[in-house]
Amino acid sequence: QQPVQSPQAVILREGEDAVINCSSSKALYSVHWYRQKHGEAPVFLMILLKGGEQKGHDKISASFNEKKQQSSLYLTASQLSYSGTYFCGTRGAAGNKLTFGGGTRVLVKP
Amino acid sequence: GEEVAQTPKHLVRGEGQKAKLYCAPIKGHSYVFWYQQVLKNEFKFLISFQNENVFDETGMPKERFSAKCLPNSPCSLEIQATKLEDSAVYFCASSQVTDHTEAFFGQGTRLTVV
Repeated sequence: QQPVQSPQAVILREGEDAVINCSSSKALYSVHWYRQKHGEAPVFLMILLKGGEQKGHDKISASFNEKKQQSSLYLTASQLSYSGTYFCGTRGAAGNKLTFGGGTRVLVKP
Repeated sequence: GEEVAQTPKHLVRGEGQKAKLYCAPIKGHSYVFWYQQVLKNEFKFLISFQNENVFDETGMPKERFSAKCLPNSPCSLEIQATKLEDSAVYFCASSQVTDHTEAFFGQGTRLTVV
């Protein structure tokens, strides 16, 4: 089952903050966040693991609520370079594939 | 190599023709994943490999799609008798293990079926 991302799109001014949410109807083992710019490959941002371990980007933060099967990505003091489509990928306990959400388009304006 | 290398970058095929895409994972990565991304930006999982063994093929349309990862060769994804709806960007990703490490994506192959 595909995780659900919200919002679908967000427009920010440089320096503003935003939160992107990712929720799943299935129990999650890990959540992976990626950013994709138009015509490019997705770039890894962050992994959040069951049990609280995190690994990722210095300037991007995220949370993982295992009980609610939700993750949130926090874009703080956004920069123009933050523009792109953000995808969460979820992995259950069994298997190894990442199932991606539908994406959240972020546009940061000067 | 230090990056996932996909070839070709673009591929145009007439309906009914065969298409073959290649992916060289990062050296030392045991897992390879193939995804299809269509215009709505959604990623559809196709298949994954652990070394040369199929790990998960739940996303593969069995009739026309096949994939291999053979030792000392790039992995490949082949589509027999392409259809218009196969037009998409096909991404390959590789990772060292699956649980605690990120998957690195290649630049993708844009397949256009005309």
